[in-house]
Amino acid sequence: NAGVTQTPKFQVLKTGQSMTLQCAQDMNHNSMYWYRQDPGMGLRLIYYSASEGTTDKGEVPNGYNVSRLNKREFSLRLESAAPSQTSVYFCASTHGPGTEAFFGQGTRLTVV
Amino acid sequence: DQQVKQNSPSLSVQEGRISILNCDYTNSMFDYFLWYKKYPAEGPTFLISISSIKDKNEDGRFTVFLNKSAKHLSLHIVPSQPGDSAVYFCAARGGGSQGNLIFGKGTKLSVKP
Repeated sequence: NAGVTQTPKFQVLKTGQSMTLQCAQDMNHNSMYWYRQDPGMGLRLIYYSASEGTTDKGEVPNGYNVSRLNKREFSLRLESAAPSQTSVYFCASTHGPGTEAFFGQGTRLTVV
Repeated sequence: DQQVKQNSPSLSVQEGRISILNCDYTNSMFDYFLWYKKYPAEGPTFLISISSIKDKNEDGRFTVFLNKSAKHLSLHIVPSQPGDSAVYFCAARGGGSQGNLIFGKGTKLSVKP
């Protein structure tokens, strides 16, 4: 049972570089989310996709873009990485908004 | 402004005793609350939830209590085990059509043998 799969698990970027974090779920869930977790800050919502074809901003969207490629996949792109984007990123999916969320194992990103 | 607050960053409990993790919220429109558990280097996993129409939900060693008038919920773990050592996040379902989950900052529980 794969659940929610994120790639890569670790990444180091230089300031100004771009990259895309990949997320795929095999549970036929409608909604997908990207969170970041920082020390003492809990989980903060970056972007979400309530259903295929829709995306919306969360609490901390600046510096990020997302693509809901299909029902299974939801990617997060950093166009020009900044040290403030050093964080652990979690992708999650739910059957519907506000129901139990299933999380991936996270991507630890360091921007130097 | 934080809508979901976990005011205790950490909690240490002896094995076999009760662990009580607390969570306060400010938005009376929240209608569903969840607790997640997170081990290092892993994603959060769902633990237990409660609807706002209930005041208690129990699942094995885990019980969640909701006091709507005080806008407070708590997670009780009895008896606590060393394997329960993890960070626990409280989450609430936000209002509006999207109903996204809003998380607290987490409480790190350490259960000592």
